[in-house]
Amino acid sequence: EVQLVESGGGLVQPGGSLRLSCAASGFTFSGSSMNWVRQAPGKGLQWISYVSSSGSTVSYADSVKGRFTISRDNARNSLYLQLNSLKAEDTAVYYCVKDFQRWGIFGYWGLGTLVTVSS
Amino acid sequence: EIVLTQSPGTLSLSPGESATLSCRASQSVSNSYLAWYQQKPGQAPRLLIYGASSRATGIPDRFSGSGSGTDFSLTISRVEPEDFAVYYCQHYGGSPFFGPGTKVDIK
Repeated sequence: EVQLVESGGGLVQPGGSLRLSCAASGFTFSGSSMNWVRQAPGKGLQWISYVSSSGSTVSYADSVKGRFTISRDNARNSLYLQLNSLKAEDTAVYYCVKDFQRWGIFGYWGLGTLVTVSS
Repeated sequence: EIVLTQSPGTLSLSPGESATLSCRASQSVSNSYLAWYQQKPGQAPRLLIYGASSRATGIPDRFSGSGSGTDFSLTISRVEPEDFAVYYCQHYGGSPFFGPGTKVDIK
């Protein structure tokens, strides 16, 4: 069974940094491309970042480009998202998401971790 | 960038009724790269449909997707109590983008 467990969320001040982690199990992690998708409180879904199975290709939404960095450690079956220069509008639940068949078909989701940016 | 709009914003139904949710794209979605997700309160989204009409694993056959080009729809035949949720369409094939969602609630 595919399991994705996020951690690392919390309260951070504007301009601060945070590192999110996602522990993956139940599938061959090194063979799967991964994403982060976020959802602001009471709002819709926003894709924010992608990493290929090897980690060699990454992509970001314009709203986070230059501030967030996605990475992975296939030896540890883990996905990461480094969040820098955080803004109030980055407040959201961040989901770790596994692709199904191809990039963008979000077949498996973690439960999410809440990031709150506030002074 | 392809922008998706969904209608209606809210759909009020009684159990047993059928529902048709609409998703319209600002430009043609190539290869029918269109997916639908269901999200219940406090839960992560769940993939229902991909490729506009292919049901994901374990999804009941009362859920069906159709459409091509710029107009897509999700039909729920005979809505069950567990189907009351928010439904999002999403395109892929480039940077993924979600529509704003349709809430299906109990009349």
